[in-house]
Amino acid sequence: GEDVEQSLFLSVREGDSSVINCTYTDSSSTYLYWYKQEPGAGLQLLTYIFSNMDMKQDQRLTVLLNKKDKHLSLRIADTQTGDSAIYFCAESGPRGGYNKLIFGAGTRLAVHP
Amino acid sequence: ETGVTQSPTHLIKTRGQQVTLRCSSQSGHNTVSWYQQALGQGPQFIFQYYREEENGRGNFPPRFSGLQFPNYSSELNVNALELDDSALYLCASSLSRGGAYNEQFFGPGTRLTVL
Repeated sequence: GEDVEQSLFLSVREGDSSVINCTYTDSSSTYLYWYKQEPGAGLQLLTYIFSNMDMKQDQRLTVLLNKKDKHLSLRIADTQTGDSAIYFCAESGPRGGYNKLIFGAGTRLAVHP
Repeated sequence: ETGVTQSPTHLIKTRGQQVTLRCSSQSGHNTVSWYQQALGQGPQFIFQYYREEENGRGNFPPRFSGLQFPNYSSELNVNALELDDSALYLCASSLSRGGAYNEQFFGPGTRLTVL
């Protein structure tokens, strides 16, 4: 079945790196995404990775994909207080439809001085 | 270029009532998806509309229905409201060009409370 799981909470010190982890069950997942949600706001796409890639870097963000273990991670370098938000992992693929995003429950990232 | 907008921002209804939520897609987008996000949970896909036709549905009962208009704006209607329908309802628009990946742009959501 469709399932995406994430740890619920992460606390880091400003300037440190944050690593948010996600596992998924659908082996046919083709696209894997990271979204950010700030209070009172909708979801903002941070980055996505295609399933034939194992790494993608975009400025402070690094996404690692281990397709064998169905494990996805998001690393935020030099974490700032503005990074405090809820981060959602999501996937889509041929089984559910590419435009149907399956989300995890979200990881709340708290950045403290 | 305006982004995705939703109205109203907040809404309070009682059990058994009906509600209509509205979404204006980003300019030029022909596809809209609706998601329900319960408190402390990730969004769950309700359905998607492409060029005014339903194009996929999640595990939601028929009392959840939708419409997409010729200008690609959209409505989500929920009949016979239940307490568990209390959630943030998110609309996302995209431009489907036939490829597998089309970035979805989310609106800020409508917070529905059912008493």
